[in-house]
Amino acid sequence: GAGVSQSPRYKVAKRGQDVALRCDPISGHVSLFWYQQALGQGPEFLTYFQNEAQLDKSGLPSDRFFAERPEGSVSTLKIQRTQQEDSAVYLCASSLRRGGDTQYFGPGTRLTVL
Amino acid sequence: QQQVKQSPQSLIVQKGGIPIINCAYENTAFDYFPWYQQFPGKGPALLIAIRPDVSEKKEGRFTISFNKSAKQFSLHIMDSQPGDSATYFCAATNSGYSTLTFGKGTMLLVSP
Repeated sequence: GAGVSQSPRYKVAKRGQDVALRCDPISGHVSLFWYQQALGQGPEFLTYFQNEAQLDKSGLPSDRFFAERPEGSVSTLKIQRTQQEDSAVYLCASSLRRGGDTQYFGPGTRLTVL
Repeated sequence: QQQVKQSPQSLIVQKGGIPIINCAYENTAFDYFPWYQQFPGKGPALLIAIRPDVSEKKEGRFTISFNKSAKQFSLHIMDSQPGDSATYFCAATNSGYSTLTFGKGTMLLVSP
């Protein structure tokens, strides 16, 4: 079956622009996660949804970052007024159930802010 | 605050060798420890995982060893192949919570 898909795969933004990154999780997966992966580093947690409810957003680095999953399926991560330090790969993962279940990752969106 | 420390940062072995990657954690609430494999341009993929009620788990050529008292766990790759060349991440979570805490990764190169 289809895995987690993300779009766009690559995004170049000028500093100050707003960007929106999309994640399509595996159908039927309850939980959805966003992670940020800087070059040469491990993924770092940003936010977590269980269905449409955002249960944890403690990893979002600033109020410029906003995520939503309005119908409990597709999710969008939005970054307002992008800064150079936002340049990273943004990974989305989904899992079937909540709590301790295997997380399946998408290929990521590589964001470069000039 | 780095809750999962991974070493080495990079590793080169010859084909057939047994690379070993080590991780240490601090949070005693962690109870699920997966390893992920990541190829360039791809997302991480689950390789093998262990819970602290066992000291070792094998799946094919991959083995996790777990030392609960030392709060350490390691990945061994038996009979390594050039196709195993990738970046490996250890991770940890409290299964009642879900989010993963990753190590910084180990870049493995298996030479032919």
